[in-house]
Amino acid sequence: DSGVTQTPKHLITATGQRVTLRCSPRSGDLSVYWYQQSLDQGLQFLIQYYNGEERAKGNILERFSAQQFPDLHSELNLSSLELGDSALYFCASSANLQGDVSYNEQFFGPGTRLTVL
Amino acid sequence: QQQVKQSPQSLIVQKGGIPIINCAYENTAFDYFPWYQQFPGKGPALLIAIRPDVSEKKEGRFTISFNKSAKQFSLHIMDSQPGDSATYFCAATYLMDSSYKLIFGSGTRLLVRP
Repeated sequence: DSGVTQTPKHLITATGQRVTLRCSPRSGDLSVYWYQQSLDQGLQFLIQYYNGEERAKGNILERFSAQQFPDLHSELNLSSLELGDSALYFCASSANLQGDVSYNEQFFGPGTRLTVL
Repeated sequence: QQQVKQSPQSLIVQKGGIPIINCAYENTAFDYFPWYQQFPGKGPALLIAIRPDVSEKKEGRFTISFNKSAKQFSLHIMDSQPGDSATYFCAATYLMDSSYKLIFGSGTRLLVRP
């Protein structure tokens, strides 16, 4: 168990809809990362938040957005869903402290499987 | 330059064999190289990691070999077991804008036959 929690575990919805995925980082971790993993694909970095502020953006679509709240949990919002958005969505957290890189190892949650019908 | 190239895409070995997964990079700013193991339906889990100033690191049956001059590193699994069947991702970390970034390889699906 990595200490990162994600809800829901599974989500089935229809095209055009909007969903929200939730992530709680490990205790003490300030940084949250979101990744998308399509079937038989690698991990695509979407976005990173650090202590409530957006820190980095990857291959995130304009239909997707995220935020990190004062209690450090994060939500990923996916709107105007398309069939191609069906994927596993992972959240990861790290301490993201200045200093040694090993303190910034990312720990992944169990993921949310999104199915768009 | 921000890529990590991983091979092979898939690998099948017999129990007790030594599967080897290879990764290569171009960016010399990468300063930490973790490996992740992912079982079906689960999140990736940190397996082992190495710094570029170290040529080899062992943790149990897992060994990373690192060749800094060739910009290549590899994962060896000694005495592989069916329970090692999973997808393995190499990765590389670099510091940018006071934040560490993680770049993943494309993954290797390993099957260890009994």
